[in-house]
Amino acid sequence: GAGVSQSPRYKVAKRGQDVALRCDPISGHVSLFWYQQALGQGPEFLTYFQNEAQLDKSGLPSDRFFAERPEGSVSTLKIQRTQQEDSAVYLCASSSAMGLAHYEQYFGPGTRLTVT
Amino acid sequence: GDSVTQMEGPVTLSEEAFLTINCTYTATGYPSLFWYVQYPGEGLQLLLKATKADDKGSNKGFEATYRKETTSFHLEKGSVQVSDSAVYFCALNFIIQGAQKLVFGQGTRLTINP
Repeated sequence: GAGVSQSPRYKVAKRGQDVALRCDPISGHVSLFWYQQALGQGPEFLTYFQNEAQLDKSGLPSDRFFAERPEGSVSTLKIQRTQQEDSAVYLCASSSAMGLAHYEQYFGPGTRLTVT
Repeated sequence: GDSVTQMEGPVTLSEEAFLTINCTYTATGYPSLFWYVQYPGEGLQLLLKATKADDKGSNKGFEATYRKETTSFHLEKGSVQVSDSAVYFCALNFIIQGAQKLVFGQGTRLTINP
């Protein structure tokens, strides 16, 4: 079946522009996660949705970052007034489980954001 | 806070060599532990997992044992192949107040030479 898809795969933005990154999780997966991966580093947690509810946004680095999942399926990560330090790969993952620590998270290919 | 520390890379080995990539963690509570792998040009994928102390995860010839006493989850393989060249990430997953997240190590780049 189809895995997690993300679009666009690559995005170049001028500093100060707003960007929107899309994630299509595996159909039926209730849990959705966003991670940020800087070059040469491991992914870092940004936010977590259970269906349409955003249960944890503690990893969002600033109020310029905003995520939504209005119908409990597709999610969008929006970054306003992009800065150079926002350059990274943004990963989306989904899971079939709620609140069960050992269920696998399935990752998308990521969106590479470059802010110039 | 919870964290994962991995052996620094890059690691370069010859084919058929024995591999160990060290991973230690700091956590409150009882997390599940994972190894994820990122092959060149591909997304992160789960390699193996262990959900409680003394569990051993295994897949594709790789193994890791959840050691609570040493807070470790070292990855091992007896005989590596060129196709194992990738970046390996150790991670823990825990739940706080209904929310869950993966905490990753910094990754270890492995190159296997023929």
